Amino acid sequence: DIQMTQSPSSLSASVGDRVTITCRASQSISNYLNWYQQIPGKTPKLLIYAAYSLLSAVPSRFSGSGSGTEFTLTISSLQPEDFATYYCQQSYTTPWTFGQGTKVEIK
Amino acid sequence: EVQLVESGGGLVQPGGSLRVSCAASGFTFNSFAMNWVRQAPGKGLEWISYISSRSNTIYYAASVRGRFTISRDNAKNSLYLQMNSLRAEDTAVYYCARVSGSYFDAFDIWGRGTLVIVSS
Repeated sequence: DIQMTQSPSSLSASVGDRVTITCRASQSISNYLNWYQQIPGKTPKLLIYAAYSLLSAVPSRFSGSGSGTEFTLTISSLQPEDFATYYCQQSYTTPWTFGQGTKVEIK
Repeated sequence: EVQLVESGGGLVQPGGSLRVSCAASGFTFNSFAMNWVRQAPGKGLEWISYISSRSNTIYYAASVRGRFTISRDNAKNSLYLQMNSLRAEDTAVYYCARVSGSYFDAFDIWGRGTLVIVSS
């Protein structure tokens, strides 16, 4: 199985800060990497697919990059509604696997 | 509105069985593959099962293989997960999630989940 490892597991940041989350795959997954946001008590929401493609409703302050085994999710200017847990997921091969999550908290 | 609504969760004893359902609306259900993903309390997301649009391809995570069965009824726009031999570690919110037809197999639509508690 492909292991997905996110870092950090949690971070504290202020509104307006630039935030970067890293996701590493245990083997190459090309660009079959997706990012989800889960606000506490809510259902997961797809933000980015294929490593860097934003869904149309997602604000442009979110961006993704990477290929192969290392990927990043960047929030250029953190907003109050962005405080949530973020998960990466590989859709390269079954079993599809998620990272353990990165919780973004208010400083 | 594109929507997935899970139902059927509840309290079940260890070793027991439960079937959860997912009702789809707002899209052509028989054109999309579907998944079940679960989330234990306070934990992360775990993919557990996939079924193709016509049910000809099915996958399971090792943690549920041989105990859980995924199925769908395209005439009823419904997805199911039959869970047998339940264990305490199966306690989780169970989400159904649609496989995007366009987004590199990402899960683009999720239901709100149904809670399954396995406890005596």
